[in-house]
Parts: sequence; C-alpha cells; structure tokens
Amino acid sequence: EVQLVESGGDLVQPGGSLRLSCAASGFTFSTYWMSWVRQAPGKGLEWVGNIKEDGSEKEYVDSVRGRFTISRDNAKNSLYLQMNSLRAEDTAVYYCARHLDHGIAVAPTFDPWGQGTLVTVSS
Amino acid sequence: SYELTQPPSVSVSPGQTASITCSGDKLGDKYACWYQQKPGQSPVVVIYQDSRRPSGIPERFSGSNSGNTATLTISGTQAMDEADYYCQAWDSSTAVFGTGTKVTVL
Repeated sequence: EVQLVESGGDLVQPGGSLRLSCAASGFTFSTYWMSWVRQAPGKGLEWVGNIKEDGSEKEYVDSVRGRFTISRDNAKNSLYLQMNSLRAEDTAVYYCARHLDHGIAVAPTFDPWGQGTLVTVSS
Repeated sequence: SYELTQPPSVSVSPGQTASITCSGDKLGDKYACWYQQKPGQSPVVVIYQDSRRPSGIPERFSGSNSGNTATLTISGTQAMDEADYYCQAWDSSTAVFGTGTKVTVL
C-alpha cells in the first residue's frame, strides 16, 4: 500500500524554526517528485513547494521562498521541510504528497496525500 | 501570480446534478484536476487531466475544461459526495489551487 506519514508538527513561537518529515512506503520513492501542501485552519489548500526525484530541482511559493527548504533522503525514503523565521500566517496542517503524472509530466496530480501534521505559530 | 476562482458553495438535492466551476486566465490551455476533501480527511483526486477519472472514483464524477473555465460535474449526487472540492492547475512550474467549493447535499 502506498503510504505517506508526516511528523514533526508542533507549537512554535514566531521567528522560530521547525523541521517536518514525511516517511514514504509502498512505492519507489526515489523515482517520484514530491510536494508539500498546507491548509490553514478552516481555509483552502496552498502549495508550498516541490522537489525533483534526485533533489536537484526545487520550487517554492513566493510566500515561503528564502524561509523554507525542501529536501529528501532517498536512502531513507523520506521527505523534509525545514521551516525558519516562522510567522503566524504559517499556521496550518502540512501535507506531503506524491506527484503522479499519468504520462504528462507537466501536469502531475498529487496522489496520494499524507494525513498531515499541524504546525501552530503562536507566542 | 496565477489565480483560480471557485464559487464558495453549491447546494444540490440527492440524485440531482451538481456543477462546480473553476475560472482562471486561459485555463483551457492548461490541464485541470479536482480534489475532494471530506471533513478531517486528506484530499483525494477525483478528476485529472481535465476529464479523466482515477480508478475507484465513481462514474458520476466527470470533468471538462475549455476557455477560461474548468467544470466538475457530479451526476446523481449522493449524500457521500458532500465535501469541499478544489481545482488545481500548474502555471510556470508552480501548482495553484482554486479557492474551494463546499458542496452541500440537501
């Protein structure tokens, strides 16, 4: 069974840092792009960024660029999100998701998603 | 930055058809997909590449995309279809989600 399990969410003060992890199983992790997507409480989905299969390419949404870093360890089947200089508006459930391109690489879907981990930024 | 706009809510009676629109500049030139999210659960893709259904998704879910609008149609809506729905497309290597639509089955 394809599975993604996030961990690392916590309560952190503004300006603080946090590292999220996503453990993958049931598929060959090293052959898939991966993304982080977040959802503020009661709000919609926001893509945070993604990383290529070998980690050589990364993209971020403007609101986190320079503060967040996505990385991966293919030997450990794990995806990471290092979050620095956290702000109240970063409060959200953070999901990791696998890219599935169905033969069209430029338009992959996110499938599956993990269960999410909650990050709360508050003093 | 690219934006996708959806109606905040859609109401439908059981057995009837629900249509959810997603509007964006020249969206028809991109591929659109749709996610269903039930309360307390993670999103699940119900339509990809404008109109294709993943295995396991009921035939009552269909999609189209032309001009500036993508549409998700739920035919013969069931109570279990009550959920939030999000469209999504890619623009300049970044993923963009729609604003989301809450579907209520009355």
